[in-house]
Amino acid sequence: QKEVEQNSGPLSVPEGAIASLNCTYSDRGSQSFFWYRQYSGKSPELIMSIYSNGDKEDGRFTAQLNKASQYVSLLIRDSQPSDSATYLCAPSGNNRLAFGKGNQVVVIP
Amino acid sequence: GAVVSQHPSRVICKSGTSVKIECRSLDFQATTMFWYRQFPKKSLMLMATSNEGSKATYEQGVEKDKFLINHASLTLSTLTVTSAHPEDSSFYICSARGGSEAFFGQGTRLTVV
Repeated sequence: QKEVEQNSGPLSVPEGAIASLNCTYSDRGSQSFFWYRQYSGKSPELIMSIYSNGDKEDGRFTAQLNKASQYVSLLIRDSQPSDSATYLCAPSGNNRLAFGKGNQVVVIP
Repeated sequence: GAVVSQHPSRVICKSGTSVKIECRSLDFQATTMFWYRQFPKKSLMLMATSNEGSKATYEQGVEKDKFLINHASLTLSTLTVTSAHPEDSSFYICSARGGSEAFFGQGTRLTVV
C-alpha cells in the first residue's frame, strides 16, 4: 500500500493565480509531512514541513494538514513561472522516506 | 536548509564495471540516509534506507548484492553499483536526515555504455 497518493497532473495554472495541490495518505499514525519541489532533471528541495493539524504559511506557500480526513495540501499563491515543477509530499516520521508520483504544476505566463 | 553533497554529479562507465557514489552531510550528522533512483519522467523510487552503523534496508525488488550501500559514519554514505549494465543508467539521488527534516544531494547521473 502506498503511503501517499497524489494526482500527477499536470495542473496548469495562469501566472498570478493560486495552485492547489492535494496529497492523501493511508497511515493514520502519520503526524507530520514534508513538501518537496523537484525541477525537471534536478533533485528535490524541501519547501515546507508541517507538524500539526491546521495551516502553516511560509511566504507564498501554505501547507494544510487535516488528520481527520487524512490529507495534506499545498497552496501556492501568486504563482510564477518559476513554480513550474513537480511537488512531492511524504510523511516525515517514518524510517522510510518514500514518495508518490507527485503533483506536476505548469504555470502559464 | 542543511547541505548534502553528492559526488560525482555525472559518471559514464563501461558495462561490467562498478561505480561508487558518495553522499556527505556537510553541516549535520545524518543518522539516516536514503538512496533513490529516478528514470526520465518517472517517479522518485526509494531503493534503500540506511542507518549509521547498521545494514541497509532495501526496498522490495532492489538487489542488495548489486547496489551496495555503506553508511559507516554519521556524515558519509556510499552507493556502489556493481557490474553495471546499460539498464542501470539512471539518476541516483541520496537524502540525509539528522533530525526531523531530510535534505537531498544534487544527484548523480549514471550512464553505462
